[in-house]
Amino acid sequence: KAGVTQTPRYLIKTRGQQVTLSCSPISGHRSVSWYQQTPGQGLQFLFEYFSETQRNKGNFPGRFSGRQFSNSRSEMNVSTLELGDSALYLCASSSASGGARDTQYFGPGTRLTVL
Amino acid sequence: AQSVTQPDIHITVSEGASLELRCNYSYGATPYLFWYVQSPGQGLQLLLKYFSGDTLVQGIKGFEAEFKRSQSSFNLRKPSVHWSDAAEYFCAVGAGTALIFGKGTTLSVSS
Repeated sequence: KAGVTQTPRYLIKTRGQQVTLSCSPISGHRSVSWYQQTPGQGLQFLFEYFSETQRNKGNFPGRFSGRQFSNSRSEMNVSTLELGDSALYLCASSSASGGARDTQYFGPGTRLTVL
Repeated sequence: AQSVTQPDIHITVSEGASLELRCNYSYGATPYLFWYVQSPGQGLQLLLKYFSGDTLVQGIKGFEAEFKRSQSSFNLRKPSVHWSDAAEYFCAVGAGTALIFGKGTTLSVSS
């Protein structure tokens, strides 16, 4: 099976712009989660989608949003970019039948740089 | 609140020596625990996981971890480190459908 894919791999934006990142889960996986990784804060959970519904959300401002499509592909959007949004954004997928027990498989990430 | 602590930010081990990376967790219920590894510029790869049962779990690449409820710990071990093990290692606890990660331990391997 192909792994989790994320596009684009690298992105440079300027403050105030918005950005959309894409994630394609492993075939058959219905849950997609997003994480932000920064040197200062480490890995932080953004949100999780299952069957096109947001099931769980981390402690991030409303500028961060996401959605999931019927084929389980997911996008996350960040509006009004700030310098502090520069990070590696990781997507993970799981079969999501059991919640916390499910193994999450991670993609390579999208490196976002905000200038 | 749930949390994961990895006390060691950076560890250097000689090639062929044994390794132990520490992880302590805070979680009210039975924890689901994971160890992931991240190589530079890469995503996270699962090394092993603990849900219940045998407290010593085996993973990929020769890694193992031991769950100790009394110490709230889930330390990762490897008997003989290879240069290719140099990477960043993350311990995590499953909280609902989210993973809560520690800040990571960077492993350097010296020859």
